[in-house]
Amino acid sequence: NAGVTQTPKFQVLKTGQSMTLQCAQDMNHNSMYWYRQDPGMGLRLIYYSASEGTTDKGEVPNGYNVSRLNKREFSLRLESAAPSQTSVYFCASSEDRAGGETQYFGPGTRLLVL
Amino acid sequence: LAKTTQPISMDSYEGQEVNITCSHNNIATNDYITWYQQFPSQGPRFIIQGYKTKVTNEVASLFIPADRKSSTLSLPRVSLSDTAVYYCLVGDNQAGTALIFGKGTTLSVSS
Repeated sequence: NAGVTQTPKFQVLKTGQSMTLQCAQDMNHNSMYWYRQDPGMGLRLIYYSASEGTTDKGEVPNGYNVSRLNKREFSLRLESAAPSQTSVYFCASSEDRAGGETQYFGPGTRLLVL
Repeated sequence: LAKTTQPISMDSYEGQEVNITCSHNNIATNDYITWYQQFPSQGPRFIIQGYKTKVTNEVASLFIPADRKSSTLSLPRVSLSDTAVYYCLVGDNQAGTALIFGKGTTLSVSS
């Protein structure tokens, strides 16, 4: 099992450009999440999906959109990138949408917006 | 959501036992306590989870007193490879509850 995979690993964008971060998991998990982590900070939840076909906003959803394409895949889209979106983005999955469950994280996507 | 407070940083030497305490005074009845570990340039990794008393696995032990207002992650005989950020999270099993990652505790292990 590959676990949680993310593409790309690193991306440089110019302000105003758009891009989609891809995430896939092969653990048959129902719930998937997108976080961002800024230097010296903890992780902040952007969006999550409790099951295929459903998505909900997290703590910092502004400037992002998500798509739960199927049970395996959950993508994060930046429609018009801004320098404030420079960050490391982590995708995670868990068996159920529950605070007590274990989340499994991908390796991260490092995004630089110029 | 129960807020957690943990030390910003800790230093240790190889072979020592390290105890990281997390305060969660407003923990709710249904909340579990979970610890994650994060190495530089990697995503967080689950270490241990508990509800009350003591939990032990191959990596660490988690001590939770009866009032559950705090918890202590214990790492026995740390090595250089245990240098990482450790996050304490408190959350329940209700759908729609977000996990809150604070700034964590940066543990530095020296030889």
